[in-house]
Amino acid sequence: GQQVMQIPQYQHVQEGEDFTTYCNSSTTLSNIQWYKQRPGGHPVFLIQLVKSGEVKKQKRLTFQFGEAKKNSSLHITATQTTDVGTYFCAGHGSGNTGKLIFGQGTTLQVKP
Amino acid sequence: DTAVSQTPKYLVTQMGNDKSIKCEQNLGHDTMYWYKQDSKKFLKIMFSYNNKELIINETVPNRFSPKSPDKAHLNLHINSLELGDSAVYFCASSRTGTQYFGPGTRLTVL
Repeated sequence: GQQVMQIPQYQHVQEGEDFTTYCNSSTTLSNIQWYKQRPGGHPVFLIQLVKSGEVKKQKRLTFQFGEAKKNSSLHITATQTTDVGTYFCAGHGSGNTGKLIFGQGTTLQVKP
Repeated sequence: DTAVSQTPKYLVTQMGNDKSIKCEQNLGHDTMYWYKQDSKKFLKIMFSYNNKELIINETVPNRFSPKSPDKAHLNLHINSLELGDSAVYFCASSRTGTQYFGPGTRLTVL
C-alpha cells in the first residue's frame, strides 16, 4: 500500500538556525499537505501543494512539492521557539479516495 | 466557537471496560474521521464517514465501532478495552480534503 516516509524523526536546533524536514511517498501524490502539532495539541493545517514543482512560502516557512509529485520538503529559516512542535506531511494518492496518508512526523526542538 | 469538539478530553479506565468518545463539528463538513495517535506520534486513520455513511474502514479490531447519527456527529465506541488501546484519539472533519482536527481524547487503559 501507499507509504509516506518522513525524515528526520527528531531535530534539535539552536534558535536562529534553519530547519528542514523531508517527505517521500512510494507512489505519485495528487497533492500534499503539511500540518503542525504543538506539544499537547492537535494537528493544524498549514498548507496544501498541488502542482508539480510548486513552491509556497508562509513567512519563514517554505514548502516545496517535487517535480515527480513523490516528495516534498518544509524549510524553516531562522527558527524561533514558537516553531517547536511536530510537523507532519500527508498525501492523497492519485486516485484520491479521500484517505490521507500521514508521514511519521518530524519533532522540532528549538533551544533558546 | 469550537469547530471540532470532542468529549471527554481525558479517559482513564480499566482493561475490559467499554467506553465511548463523542465528536461534533460545526463547520458544515460532509466527511468526518477518527485517527489514532500512538506514543511515537504516528497518526493512523481508523474510519471515515461521508454524510453518515462509512467510506473508510482501516484494519481496526471490531471492538471499535463508529456511529454517525448525523453528518455533524461521529462517535467512537470501544468494547473490551485493552492496554494497547491507550493512545490519543483525534476526530477530524473535512470538505475539500483539508483535515480540521478536534483537540483529541487521551485514553489510558490500566
